[in-house]
Amino acid sequence: AQRVTQPEKLLSVFKGAPVELKCNYSYSGSPELFWYVQYSRQRLQLLLRHISRESIKGFTADLNKGETSFHLKKPFAQEEDSAMYYCALGTDSWGKLQFGAGTQVVVTP
Amino acid sequence: DVKVTQSSRYLVKRTGEKVFLECVQDMDHENMFWYRQDPGLGLRLIYFSYDVKMKEKGDIPEGYSVSREKKERFSLILESASTNQTSMYLCASRSAEGTDTQYFGPGTRLTVL
Repeated sequence: AQRVTQPEKLLSVFKGAPVELKCNYSYSGSPELFWYVQYSRQRLQLLLRHISRESIKGFTADLNKGETSFHLKKPFAQEEDSAMYYCALGTDSWGKLQFGAGTQVVVTP
Repeated sequence: DVKVTQSSRYLVKRTGEKVFLECVQDMDHENMFWYRQDPGLGLRLIYFSYDVKMKEKGDIPEGYSVSREKKERFSLILESASTNQTSMYLCASRSAEGTDTQYFGPGTRLTVL
């Protein structure tokens, strides 16, 4: 069965410090991995996806198939990065997603 | 710009009531989804639809049904609301073409008393 694990419920970091959100998945096929973000009082939106291999708002994520991980990283956290972050796994052509439990990031000045 | 709208931002209902949550998208997307979002559990798929009148159960369909009579509209129905269905409900849509992402609505916070 497909599964997405985000081990940290809450991550509190200081402004300017590096931040890393962990995501591990279990899936026997070829996965599609995504990071979604939900800022306070806003709708859930895509942050980045592994096939794009791009950096969005300073965030990057590398798919490591050997470790079945897709950790999200940013070298210097900003206060506007405070949000709920979800890792998601796509496994079929319909676009269904399996979400992790989410990690709340709080960036303090 | 993709727009997914949900009929209500907040809804309060009583146990046993029939509840309709409406979702409309304006991008001619084939696929639509209903999730519930709970703290510590993330988003869980209730139902999805890949075409008009076509639906498939997700991971937690019990106590819910759906209706897709028009391509742009996907309704979630709670036949007899219960307190454990108090949650945030998110609708999403996605094109069937290629590897598009899902676009989410603002959510409906449902409280069942």
